[in-house]
Amino acid sequence: GAVVSQHPSRVICKSGTSVKIECRSLDFQATTMFWYRQFPKQSLMLMATSNEGSKATYEQGVEKDKFLINHASLTLSTLTVTSAHPEDSSFYICSVTVGDSNEQFFGPGTRLTVL
Amino acid sequence: GENVEQHPSTLSVQEGDSAVIKCTYSDSASNYFPWYKQELGKGPQLIIDIRSNVGEKKDQRIAVTLNKTAKHFSLHITETQPEDSAVYFCAASFNTDKLIFGTGTRLQVFP
Repeated sequence: GAVVSQHPSRVICKSGTSVKIECRSLDFQATTMFWYRQFPKQSLMLMATSNEGSKATYEQGVEKDKFLINHASLTLSTLTVTSAHPEDSSFYICSVTVGDSNEQFFGPGTRLTVL
Repeated sequence: GENVEQHPSTLSVQEGDSAVIKCTYSDSASNYFPWYKQELGKGPQLIIDIRSNVGEKKDQRIAVTLNKTAKHFSLHITETQPEDSAVYFCAASFNTDKLIFGTGTRLQVFP
């Protein structure tokens, strides 16, 4: 399967600051990238679907102006949490699909803590 | 839309025993059913998947069965080992649509 990396693996920031998380597909060009959020002991919740060169599609209830997604190339997507607040503290995970397959391969996740 | 239910939420077994996790889905159009294993602090790892054109798939100690009529699918782990301890998620989707995840099962394998 595809190898996916995320950077940083963990980040601590002050309330009101912005944080950028990178998701890279290391060995395949990703057709589509997904961003998920996972709170402790809960399931993965899809935030948005990101296609290279087009605007991301956000799930209902996810603020597009707060969670900015940029899919600049077939191997890189970024998620920027703007004006972060303590309630944004969570585990953010990206995934990729390759070609026409619906198999999703996940990154290792980024632990965000907002103080 | 699709809804996926997963049971049990926690499962404890003795090393060497089998473990079974069950999921049901609501959308009869769903045709892809993956299972993921997530260890603490890590991203989910795809361990096995099944498509709607088959009823069973096996990979060493892991197997998945699918009953399209009843709209449920199950993960079977035989000869469990302590390193199988993790949270397991089922999911369902139609073609390349987004995955809908179950609520997860925390599996503990005691030596």
